Amino acid sequence: SQQGEEDPQALSIQEGENATMNCSYKTSINNLQWYRQNSGRGLVHLILIRSNEREKHSGRLRVTLDTSKKSSSLLITASRAADTASYFCATDKGGYQKVTFGTGTKLQVIP
Amino acid sequence: NAGVTQTPKFQVLKTGQSMTLQCAQDMNHEYMSWYRQDPGMGLRLIHYSVGAGITDQGEVPNGYNVSRSTTEDFPLRLLSAAPSQTSVYFCASSSDKSDGYTFGSGTRLTVV
Repeated sequence: SQQGEEDPQALSIQEGENATMNCSYKTSINNLQWYRQNSGRGLVHLILIRSNEREKHSGRLRVTLDTSKKSSSLLITASRAADTASYFCATDKGGYQKVTFGTGTKLQVIP
Repeated sequence: NAGVTQTPKFQVLKTGQSMTLQCAQDMNHEYMSWYRQDPGMGLRLIHYSVGAGITDQGEVPNGYNVSRSTTEDFPLRLLSAAPSQTSVYFCASSSDKSDGYTFGSGTRLTVV
């Protein structure tokens, strides 16, 4: 079974709105990452947050991590049509030796 | 500046045939992994490697073999293809100095 599960499975918003995606995982982790996948393409790394961090920012992205609840959220502010993609969380228990992915959230940003 | 290169991009196999999916990276990354992606299932880890000569199983290793004779290459072998192995396969690499995986563009495999 997969370690992470994203919620919601699909999300449709208007351009300019904020998009929030959540990830829940089952066992303790060392790092949690978020990736973006445009249709039919490989995944692109967005941001990594370590288990001892609670929040991290990168441009329009904000990631939070709550290890007590085994959950993370990805916020994309002021969304653009180009943000339309699937977003995946990925976790590991140490380094990049065995990184497992969630099932993804499909985001559609309507111009 | 190639990053992670996967070949072929598309492949059709008949049930029972064998083949090797190639993956090469030019970033001197020690970690490499193979994933398969099926609709609604996200990415599932098949095999991974932490360095040349060292490999280990992921979540769904059955029907697949890997080897890592060099840092650069991490081929995935399908021993006897089955329709259940129809999927998109991604290779990825990373290192302790990088901030996440670099993914290849994928191989779309159909087994008929």
